[in-house]
Amino acid sequence: DIQMTQSPSSLSASVGDRVAITCRASQSISTYLNWFQQKPGKAPKLLIYAASSSQSGVPSRFSGSGSGTDFTLTISSLQFEDFATYYCQQSYGIPWTFGQGTKVEIK
Amino acid sequence: QVQLQQSGPGLVKPSETLSLTCAISGDSVSRNNAAWNWIRQSPSRGLEWLARTYYRSKWYNEYAVSVRSRITINLDTSKNQFSLQLYFLSPEDTALYYCVREDKARQQLDSWGQGTLVTVSS
Repeated sequence: DIQMTQSPSSLSASVGDRVAITCRASQSISTYLNWFQQKPGKAPKLLIYAASSSQSGVPSRFSGSGSGTDFTLTISSLQFEDFATYYCQQSYGIPWTFGQGTKVEIK
Repeated sequence: QVQLQQSGPGLVKPSETLSLTCAISGDSVSRNNAAWNWIRQSPSRGLEWLARTYYRSKWYNEYAVSVRSRITINLDTSKNQFSLQLYFLSPEDTALYYCVREDKARQQLDSWGQGTLVTVSS
């Protein structure tokens, strides 16, 4: 199985901050990398697919980059509604595997 | 707009069988370029993919190695729904279970059910 490792596990930030979350795959996955946002009591929501393509309706402040084994999710200007947990997921091959999550908290 | 509506029990006894159903609206379980997944989430194991089914001239089922010996995914095309059976439950199977649509062309998990919290306890 492909292991996905996110960092940091949590971070504290203020509204308006630029935030970056990284995800590393245990082998090359090209750009088969997706990012999800999850809020308490809700299912994960797809934000970014194929490493850098935004899902319809996702605010432009969310962007993704990377290829191979190293990927980044960037929030350009953190908004109050962005405080949540973020997960990366590889779609290179079954079994789909996820990172352990990065919790973004209010400073 | 696809919607996935889950149903099933929230409490199951150890050694018994979990049965969950996912009813699909706004899409077809038989559509090419779609696959239908079960994923669970727990504090100890995080997000864990369990199984998927899809149609490409015939039906294909795929299962996670960790549960392969005790899991089945079934379809009911007449009701446009799919289901999960997980046998011989233990407390380690306590988790939030989701049904999830996969867009196979884009290889993305784009629509999720509301989740069912399943507790395994006597």
